[in-house]
Amino acid sequence: DIVMTQSPLFLPVTPGEPASISCRSSQSLLYRNGYNYLDWYLQKPGRSPQLLIYLGSNRASGVPDRFSGSVSGTDFTLHISRVEAEDVGVYYCMQALQNPRTFGQGTKVEIK
Amino acid sequence: EGQLVESGGGLVQPGGSLRLSCAASGFTFSNYDMHWVRQATGKGLEWVADVGRRGDTWYSDSVKGRFTISRDNGKNSLYLQMNSLRAGDTAVYFCVRDPAGHGMDVWGQGTTVTVSS
Repeated sequence: DIVMTQSPLFLPVTPGEPASISCRSSQSLLYRNGYNYLDWYLQKPGRSPQLLIYLGSNRASGVPDRFSGSVSGTDFTLHISRVEAEDVGVYYCMQALQNPRTFGQGTKVEIK
Repeated sequence: EGQLVESGGGLVQPGGSLRLSCAASGFTFSNYDMHWVRQATGKGLEWVADVGRRGDTWYSDSVKGRFTISRDNGKNSLYLQMNSLRAGDTAVYFCVRDPAGHGMDVWGQGTTVTVSS
């Protein structure tokens, strides 16, 4: 199984400031079509998870453009250009290359 | 956009069985792969099972041989038959839509399964 490792596991943030979360996969998520099969999800308190980013760097429909994803080999990063109070919650990366799908441990983002 | 509504959760004794259902609306259900993902209280997300558009199925090692995922495209419904339940299966179970290569883009609100004597 592909192991997904996130860091940090806890991230205090200041509104208006940038933030980033890292995710590393134990093997390449690059498919023959040239895309990296890595998604990012946010679970706000008391809510179901929601899709933020798919294929490493594509924003899902309705996701604010302050969220972006980048890829470097097996290292993936979720960037928030200017954190807002509504961005608090737990962020998960997930590899979608193969079954079993595997998630990172989650990164809890809170306002300082 | 699409909506998913789970049902069937509840309290069951160890070794018992439960069948979860997920009703889909607002999209062409047969065009999508579907998953079950679970989350124990205070824990992270764990993928459980997947059924493809053609009915092919996949399971996590932790549920293989005990759980069966299925779909009824005529009823726009997804199911999870859970047998030989264990305390470790206690979790909120989410039904999730997967448009293959575009992320798990629609999640249900979840249904809670508690395995306890």
